[in-house]
Amino acid sequence: AQKVTQAQTEISVVEKEDVTLDCVYETRDTTYYLFWYKQPPSGELVFLIRRNSFDEQNEISGRYSWNFQKSTSSFNFTITASQVVDSAVYFCALSVRRYNQGGKLIFGQGTELSVKP
Amino acid sequence: SQTIHQWPATLVQPVGSPLSLECTVEGTSNPNLYWYRQAAGRGLQLLFYSVGIGQISSEVPQNLSASRPQDRQFILSSKKLLLSDSGFYLCAWSPTGQGSFHSRAETQYFGPGTRLLVL
Repeated sequence: AQKVTQAQTEISVVEKEDVTLDCVYETRDTTYYLFWYKQPPSGELVFLIRRNSFDEQNEISGRYSWNFQKSTSSFNFTITASQVVDSAVYFCALSVRRYNQGGKLIFGQGTELSVKP
Repeated sequence: SQTIHQWPATLVQPVGSPLSLECTVEGTSNPNLYWYRQAAGRGLQLLFYSVGIGQISSEVPQNLSASRPQDRQFILSSKKLLLSDSGFYLCAWSPTGQGSFHSRAETQYFGPGTRLLVL
């Protein structure tokens, strides 16, 4: 069975601090995909990044960076120099390949990030 | 570009009343479609998914049903709402993966959601 754990329920930082959101996943599949989504107060889930299990290269996009480590089954997300607009709930998700199942996402419980001015 | 619409945005319904939530996607053909529910505790639960017209798979037994009458239209329904049906309902789409049957776990893109309150 697949599982995603986001142990941090809530994180509060002051603007300009760096913050790391943890994500640990479980799967027996060798081919899988990992995602991060952002859910601002408006409610819509915004796609941030997708990674496949064969690509452990870390990625940086502006103030966002992701650290994928298969050895520890982790896919952590770091925001550098956080801003108030980063305040949201962040979800980590996992998907595996299955016959004719459209790529179902298994979500973690989310981490609520509050960035205070 | 592709866009996904959901309506209504907010709905307040009495217990026992029927429900119909609609989701439509523009700018793509033969998408995979999904309905999720997010309860107050924040977790997202997959309710239904569809890989084609008339093809609906249910993930959990419940008071809800789904239908896909057209390629880019996905409807969530209930004949009689329960208090426990309250929540935030999100529709999502993903491109069909290469190959007829195996999903490449394409990225899912979500709609704006419908907030449902059953009283």
